[in-house]
Amino acid sequence: GAGVSQTPSNKVTEKGKYVELRCDPISGHTALYWYRQSLGQGPEFLIYFQGTGAADDSGLPNDRFFAVRPEGSVSTLKIQRTERGDSAVYLCASSPIMNTEAFFGQGTRLTVV
Amino acid sequence: GQNIDQPTEMTATEGAIVQINCTYQTSGFNGLFWYQQHAGEAPTFLSYNVLDGLEEKGRFSSFLSRSKGYSYLLLKELQMKDSASYLCAITNAGKSTFGDGTTLTVKP
Repeated sequence: GAGVSQTPSNKVTEKGKYVELRCDPISGHTALYWYRQSLGQGPEFLIYFQGTGAADDSGLPNDRFFAVRPEGSVSTLKIQRTERGDSAVYLCASSPIMNTEAFFGQGTRLTVV
Repeated sequence: GQNIDQPTEMTATEGAIVQINCTYQTSGFNGLFWYQQHAGEAPTFLSYNVLDGLEEKGRFSSFLSRSKGYSYLLLKELQMKDSASYLCAITNAGKSTFGDGTTLTVKP
């Protein structure tokens, strides 16, 4: 595709439920990043993939959060037992290689009620 | 840590020049990025500094001084469409740490 695609664009879920957020990066980009952003704040780093492997997952808040990128392209961010504090916009970005400009998707707005 | 500080809000006049500052505390990093983010939209890349000095890119320029822990984004010939949030980010080994952004309002 022309850019980074994230689905769904909006997700409302009940507290305690499981959610999956999907990211389709720009074709050929080896680096993929997940961030989350709350209103009035900058994006907060969650995890970074280089190819299929998670190169740095130090930003995942706890073990309810997990992300995969099995074939080195599409990535899924998985959140178990959602809490109201998980409500935020989840942004995915990709770049051709590490440490170069990142291209962001439009984000998934997650609301936990 | 990599505390990144930016002014919360700035206001400028159409056609003018504005400088948005970013200070940080970190022991080392690969590069410093500036992104623009309009309300409700994704961040988009503006400029990037690896070495000290000025990088010019059309109406936008960015400056970095590693010894002073300081960067700025310079926007020239301001247009109404430049009203947005401007994010400073430090990148190290693939991981980017963002400031909370500076909301710029351009007035006629």
